[in-house]
Amino acid sequence: GENVEQHPSTLSVQEGDSAVIKCTYSDSASNYFPWYKQELGKGPQLIIDIRSNVGEKKDQRIAVTLNKTAKHFSLHITETQPEDSAVYFCAASIKDDMRFGAGTRLTVKP
Amino acid sequence: GAVVSQHPSRVICKSGTSVKIECRSLDFQATTMFWYRQFPKQSLMLMATSNEGSKATYEQGVEKDKFLINHASLTLSTLTVTSAHPEDSSFYICSAISGAINEQFFGPGTRLTVL
Repeated sequence: GENVEQHPSTLSVQEGDSAVIKCTYSDSASNYFPWYKQELGKGPQLIIDIRSNVGEKKDQRIAVTLNKTAKHFSLHITETQPEDSAVYFCAASIKDDMRFGAGTRLTVKP
Repeated sequence: GAVVSQHPSRVICKSGTSVKIECRSLDFQATTMFWYRQFPKQSLMLMATSNEGSKATYEQGVEKDKFLINHASLTLSTLTVTSAHPEDSSFYICSAISGAINEQFFGPGTRLTVL
């Protein structure tokens, strides 16, 4: 089955700096790669996603890149703000079979 | 985006009792819903996949007789934790698929504490 690895497990940046979180997946058939932000005590919220026919997608300060050959994808957050502090999960999916990374706890210091 | 609700958001119960958690898709029909469990500082662990009108598919190691799942309609799935014990205390999250694009929307989660 699919195996998703996520790095780093924790990330601390200064406000205004960029943050990058990386994930790798094992099943080349995976074709949907969402990123979720989870704040304390809440359910995960989809923040951006990318499909296997696209290499990069951007939404304001958030971007995701996908390298299908290497089977890795990354989340980039620019101009980080304290409210970006949360746990971020990547996932890889084939149809409705979705597997999650272990999560990255991002802390943005003001 | 699509909205998924969960009820209750928080429940405390005594050991040996049963607890029911509801998951609703508010503005779309969800043919498939998922139930996850999350321990502190850990990732989401898929417990079962729930399809409307059919039996749920449980992940390996998840007891189907302990975690009863019912998906009676296209907008409602319920998870019942039977004979709850303290080790069942956890954060339970449901999600639902919108349409045929395999995009999942998550509920806000239910914090279960078993005394």
